[in-house]
Amino acid sequence: SQQGEEDPQALSIQEGENATMNCSYKTSINNLQWYRQNSGRGLVHLILIRSNEREKHSGRLRVTLDTSKKSSSLLITASRAADTASYFCATDESSYSGAGSYQLTFGKGTKLSVIP
Amino acid sequence: EAQVTQNPRYLITVTGKKLTVTCSQNMNHEYMSWYRQDPGLGLRQIYYSMNVEVTDKGDVPEGYKVSRKEKRNFPLILESPSPNQTSLYFCASSLYNSPLNTEAFFGQGTRLTVV
Repeated sequence: SQQGEEDPQALSIQEGENATMNCSYKTSINNLQWYRQNSGRGLVHLILIRSNEREKHSGRLRVTLDTSKKSSSLLITASRAADTASYFCATDESSYSGAGSYQLTFGKGTKLSVIP
Repeated sequence: EAQVTQNPRYLITVTGKKLTVTCSQNMNHEYMSWYRQDPGLGLRQIYYSMNVEVTDKGDVPEGYKVSRKEKRNFPLILESPSPNQTSLYFCASSLYNSPLNTEAFFGQGTRLTVV
């Protein structure tokens, strides 16, 4: 089942601007992760935020998590043309349920275009 | 270099001809999984494995088989491929020693076309 859902589906900005993408999920989680995918390539892990964390930074990336709203946001500051990619959030709903199994479930992604 | 390796990268096959996509990781990860990616549908999990000889269905397992005889390998088998299995496939692995350590490493993908 699709857990994380990103918003917007597509985003186009000028180089130097900030880009914000949002992710909503439905059930309780242990952590939420963000990944980047360059066209047709494998996904690359960007950042993991745990359910007891509210904000995390990594370079030009800032991730927030609001468990009361079941939502997360990814902010890319001072965007560059090289940031052009699709961005996915992923959550681990099954492991939290204690069912003894684990699934990392991805949303459909936000396609970011950064125009030079 | 730590990596997940899939083969082949591209494959065109005919309906009904059995095929196997291999996946191998060199990071001693317990957890491995297969996803398919289709336009507008994002990534959907096909099968996953928590450890050797332990596999389970994901969200879209129909038409696929997997095996996990060794920790490093997790092949995806299509016994009788059909055109609706045309997709981009990804293998991923994670060091799952706690729900908090679940960063996934992805292979480069296998683009499969079934005609």
